[in-house]
Amino acid sequence: KNEVEQSPQNLTAQEGEFITINCSYSVGISALHWLQQHPGGGIVSLFMLSSGKKKHGRLIATINIQEKHSSLHITASHPRDSAVYICAVEVGNEKLTFGTGTRLTIIP
Amino acid sequence: DGGITQSPKYLFRKEGQNVTLSCEQNLNHDAMYWYRQDPGQGLRLIYYSQIVNDFQKGDIAEGYSVSREKKESFPLTVTSAQKNPTAFYLCATARGPGYGYTFGSGTRLTVV
Repeated sequence: KNEVEQSPQNLTAQEGEFITINCSYSVGISALHWLQQHPGGGIVSLFMLSSGKKKHGRLIATINIQEKHSSLHITASHPRDSAVYICAVEVGNEKLTFGTGTRLTIIP
Repeated sequence: DGGITQSPKYLFRKEGQNVTLSCEQNLNHDAMYWYRQDPGQGLRLIYYSQIVNDFQKGDIAEGYSVSREKKESFPLTVTSAQKNPTAFYLCATARGPGYGYTFGSGTRLTVV
């Protein structure tokens, strides 16, 4: 069983919709990362957070340490947001454990 | 601009041949990592290095080797001992704890 579980695995939405992707983990962590992977394969780091909430443009990431849960929200979604979103947790020594990703497709 | 260069983007090799994937960074980051990505699975750690001339095995190191002779470079060799080498390989770097990660664009290796 993966230590990091993401849901949903696949998500299709209409342009403009509010998107939520969830991540649950089973171990104590020092930080949680949200990453974006485009079809070409390269990965971009979106957020690193260890508590509370962070916002960057239309993206918002939250984490609840007690519940071992994080969410990534996208407001006013756009087709260019279509990508795979990956949650990864960092446990003390810099190594990351990754979820399997959520494939998001935004339809114009 | 600082970043990570992985080359080549696509690589084809015959079964039984060793192949070396390049990862170069000009970010001055101490830590470097190699990950493997397979369909339907999360990225898995192959090897990592936190300082020059030192590296540690990750979760799936069998059939792979690395070197870290320079801070900027962390090449990964996929040997003939790796049973299923066809995969997408990603290199990443980190400045240190609390600073986040930078990822390369990846190399897709196909062994035929």
